[in-house]
Amino acid sequence: NAGVTQTPKFRVLKTGQSMTLLCAQDMNHEYMYWYRQDPGMGLRLIHYSVGEGTTAKGEVPDGYNVSRLKKQNFLLGLESAAPSQTSVYFCASLRALEGNQPQHFGDGTRLSIL
Amino acid sequence: AQTVTQSQPEMSVQEAETVTLSCTYDTSESDYYLFWYKQPPSRQMILVIRQEAYKQQNATENRFSVNFQKAAKSFSLKISDSQLGDAAMYFCAYRRNYGGSQGNLIFGKGTKLSVKP
Repeated sequence: NAGVTQTPKFRVLKTGQSMTLLCAQDMNHEYMYWYRQDPGMGLRLIHYSVGEGTTAKGEVPDGYNVSRLKKQNFLLGLESAAPSQTSVYFCASLRALEGNQPQHFGDGTRLSIL
Repeated sequence: AQTVTQSQPEMSVQEAETVTLSCTYDTSESDYYLFWYKQPPSRQMILVIRQEAYKQQNATENRFSVNFQKAAKSFSLKISDSQLGDAAMYFCAYRRNYGGSQGNLIFGKGTKLSVKP
């Protein structure tokens, strides 16, 4: 019963490097989300997807790209990492919009940009 | 735009006592959902309790209950018989109903709860 799995759990990058964070869910959920968590800021939405092949911008999308080629996977890319992107990144999924269903979260990825 | 405010950055409670965490929100919508999530040091986001705006009855989950005041746009969390394992960051979150929502949550900045033995 894996739920939402994020890879990697921790990473250190140098400014200007690129990387991709992987989120995989095995619950057949339609909706997927990427949030970032910064001290004193709560969680803020970066990008989201309402289904396979779709993506949309959230509150803080600059510097990130996403893709959802398969329903179960949602990738978050940093093309040229900046120190301001040092954060903890959470992926979440949601089965459907109807009802009070909660989002299911991964365990987060701690990303440090030097 | 909707906003969620948690006015208590930190709170402390004695083990076995009761504590209430505050949350207020701003919205022009009438149909929405509210959630409390717990984030222990392990960093996991754990759902504590949820409330539908159309329900007048306050939600309860074991030692956790809410005081939902729709007119006041207030959604406080009460933890009874506090345990050491309750120590965590608590986030209040809002979600519009499906008619105007993409399902994303809007979070408050969190309240760090400490439990003293």
